[in-house]
Amino acid sequence: QSALTQPPSVSGSPGQSVTISCTGNTSDFGSHNRVSWYRQSPGTAPKLMIYEVSNRPSGVPDRFSGSKSANTASLTISGLQAEDEADYYCSSYTTSDTYVFGTGTKVNVL
Amino acid sequence: QVQLVQSGAEVKKPGASVKISCKASGYTFITYAVHWVRQAPGQRLEWMGWINAANGKTKYSQKFQGRVTITKSTSASTAYLELSSLTSEDTAVYYCARGWGPHNAFEFWGQGTLVTVSS
Repeated sequence: QSALTQPPSVSGSPGQSVTISCTGNTSDFGSHNRVSWYRQSPGTAPKLMIYEVSNRPSGVPDRFSGSKSANTASLTISGLQAEDEADYYCSSYTTSDTYVFGTGTKVNVL
Repeated sequence: QVQLVQSGAEVKKPGASVKISCKASGYTFITYAVHWVRQAPGQRLEWMGWINAANGKTKYSQKFQGRVTITKSTSASTAYLELSSLTSEDTAVYYCARGWGPHNAFEFWGQGTLVTVSS
């Protein structure tokens, strides 16, 4: 199972918006919306930020939003803050009843 | 509150096996699946497999098939990951994560266990 493809890094100034893409194939995404996003700061475990493409768990700010079109999912961070600097990973439940993660994207806050 | 507490760091020689534990608390263990995810140094997250904590059914990534075994002890509210025939490429932090069934997401994570494979 190959990883989903994400850009290595994206950058933005405080207050700006950044968008991270996550591209796979049909078997990666299937016809469902079981795409989730995770934030990982250095030396810590990942944290769930978005589930089912666009839903936020309790406690996640509404600055984080998700979407999906065909075989590309996206995470947008609006009103970028210094604390948003971290690695972000997408994940999808596949048609083989397995899961696949993306290659990861480092968000840099300038 | 939900907690997943993993066993401590391990150092193993090539060819050996390692078994890591993940003790759950703060919820009814059999209600949620437990997944295992690993991350080699400086690398991406990699899903390894999961276990249905209610019936013990497992599913593994094809990459680890034949080398990985995920088990559970309901009485101890603990899931286990065993990986055999270790090589240096298995050096990584191994995480357990609670599955959020209908949403197919990883809702809560353990703190991670570093496994170092070195001769």
